[in-house]
Amino acid sequence: SYVLTQPPSVSVAPGETPTITCGGNNIGSKSVHWYQQKPGQAPVLVIYYDSDRPSGIPGRFSGSNSGNTATLTISRVEVGDEADYYCQVWESGGDHPVFGGGTKVTVL
Amino acid sequence: QVQLQESGPGLVKPSQTLSLTCSVSGGSISSSTYFWSWIRQPAGKGLEWIGRIYTSGSTNYSPSLKSRVTISVDTSKNHFSLKLTSVTAADTAVYYCARCFGGSTASFDYWGQGTLVTVSS
Repeated sequence: SYVLTQPPSVSVAPGETPTITCGGNNIGSKSVHWYQQKPGQAPVLVIYYDSDRPSGIPGRFSGSNSGNTATLTISRVEVGDEADYYCQVWESGGDHPVFGGGTKVTVL
Repeated sequence: QVQLQESGPGLVKPSQTLSLTCSVSGGSISSSTYFWSWIRQPAGKGLEWIGRIYTSGSTNYSPSLKSRVTISVDTSKNHFSLKLTSVTAADTAVYYCARCFGGSTASFDYWGQGTLVTVSS
């Protein structure tokens, strides 16, 4: 089955621009979605179809996808962006989705 | 604004059946534009997809849970449901329902708040 690999954690200072990677075999040929999950809350879609932002999501969030790596970038990170971030794709054939293991972003 | 709300027992005994319902408001569950999923998350762990249902009643399930899962939909009540049989402590998790938009490459664009189900005697 398809595997998505994310770094377990990323630590940054406020105002920095962290990138969160999501690795998978030829992931560039798939559509990648990203979710933000704050403690005790449900996940929230922050990027869909590699780089589109749902309404209400700040422009500081952006995404890209090429080759074997998809990337979520948070420009000028804020303390309020501290959360777990998950990438997601669908298995070939679209029968079931796959989630990455999640990356905990800590804003020091 | 679409809202999803999970409901059901918070405590289930081992070997019994876990049953949850997701009530949808602010939109019709019958729209063919969407399908509807269940996802769970054990404490401190990542997201695990359980399965999905189209309003036609067509379903897909996680290969690892397929033998124990049934998802159904009641369009008259605008809700869909999850049944997971023969539960063990490993099924203890927060269970989320979610709306899926985008066909075979769908994103989960709306989520319920989640409900904690504990499997314990």
